[in-house]
Amino acid sequence: DSGVTQTPKHLITATGQRVTLRCSPRSGDLSVYWYQQSLDQGLQFLIQYYNGEERAKGNILERFSAQQFPDLHSELNLSSLELGDSALYFCASSDKATLAGVPNEQFFGPGTRLTVL
Amino acid sequence: AQSVTQLGSHVSVSEGALVLLRCNYSSSVPPYLFWYVQYPNQGLQLLLKYTTGATLVKGINGFEAEFKKSETSFHLTKPSAHMSDAAEYFCAVSYQAGTALIFGKGTTLSVSS
Repeated sequence: DSGVTQTPKHLITATGQRVTLRCSPRSGDLSVYWYQQSLDQGLQFLIQYYNGEERAKGNILERFSAQQFPDLHSELNLSSLELGDSALYFCASSDKATLAGVPNEQFFGPGTRLTVL
Repeated sequence: AQSVTQLGSHVSVSEGALVLLRCNYSSSVPPYLFWYVQYPNQGLQLLLKYTTGATLVKGINGFEAEFKKSETSFHLTKPSAHMSDAAEYFCAVSYQAGTALIFGKGTTLSVSS
């Protein structure tokens, strides 16, 4: 158990709909990362939040957005869903780097499997 | 753009045989390097990481990897495969603390008895 929780585990919806995926990071971790895993694109970084603020963006579509709340949990909102959005969405969290600037491990949640019909 | 290449999308070995999963990165600046494992219907679990110091890194479950700067490689090995090692393995890099990981396409390891 990584300590990162994601809900729901599975989500089935129709094209054009909007869904919200939720992530609770490990206790004390300030950084939250969202990744998308699909058969054709592999594992791709979507967006990162650090202590409530957006820190970096990756290959995130304009139809997707995220936020991190004061209690540090994060939500990924996917709207106007298309068939191609079907994928496994992972959340990962990490602590700040060590004093030497070395990155700490990212701990991954179990993922949310989104199926768009 | 920086990228990670994992040679071989599928590797099959017999139980007890050597496991070798290849990973190369494309960058003139050595990154921080990670190997993650994903078991079916589960999230990713860190096997090992190279950040600084000794280039031979030991991880969990008997895996190890060696960082070779001259070859821009970070291959994962295990001397003797076990059936429980069957999973998908991902090599990943980052170039700065606190930044996202760049993943390879993954290698599926099959172990036969």
